Amino acid sequence: AQRVTQPEKLLSVFKGAPVELKCNYSYSGSPELFWYVQYSRQRLQLLLRHISRESIKGFTADLNKGETSFHLKKPFAQEEDSAMYYCALTITGFQKLVFGTGTRLLVSP
Amino acid sequence: GAGVSQSPRYKVAKRGQDVALRCDPISGHVSLFWYQQALGQGPEFLTYFQNEAQLDKSGLPSDRFFAERPEGSVSTLKIQRTQQEDSAVYLCASSSGLPGAGYGYTFGSGTRLTVV
Repeated sequence: AQRVTQPEKLLSVFKGAPVELKCNYSYSGSPELFWYVQYSRQRLQLLLRHISRESIKGFTADLNKGETSFHLKKPFAQEEDSAMYYCALTITGFQKLVFGTGTRLLVSP
Repeated sequence: GAGVSQSPRYKVAKRGQDVALRCDPISGHVSLFWYQQALGQGPEFLTYFQNEAQLDKSGLPSDRFFAERPEGSVSTLKIQRTQQEDSAVYLCASSSGLPGAGYGYTFGSGTRLTVV
């Protein structure tokens, strides 16, 4: 079965510091990977998808099939980046997303 | 509407009571999903509809859980004889396509169910 692991429950950094939220997955094929974000008192929303190779709000994520990872990175964290971040995976042709347990990012001034 | 609407936002049920949770997806979205999110966990898949057809219900934890989408728009998740372990946030999401094709979900705000 597919599995997504986010090893850090909490990541605390200072404003302007680089950020890397870790995500590892278990699946032997070619997955579709996503990052979702939930800001305080807001609904869960899509941040970015690996398939589109986009950069959203300064965040990027690269799929590393050798290491089965999809880490989320930002070179300079901002206070408004504080939120809960979930990594999610699906398989081409399938419907459901498998989510990790989430990492809370706290950016202090 | 502009987004996915769920009601009620909060529900407190006595153990053994039946509950019904409603989801109104984005107009035109054919795919509708229900997820259960326990405290401190990520969302876990319950069931998936394509229009009115329930194509996957493999995540429903027991036969006390039932979902329907009779006209291919609004969906209802029903939980019969609620138990304390059913306490969670129930999330509805809709999409114009499938995640396997790279489409993202639009989530509702969720219904927080507390069984006492």
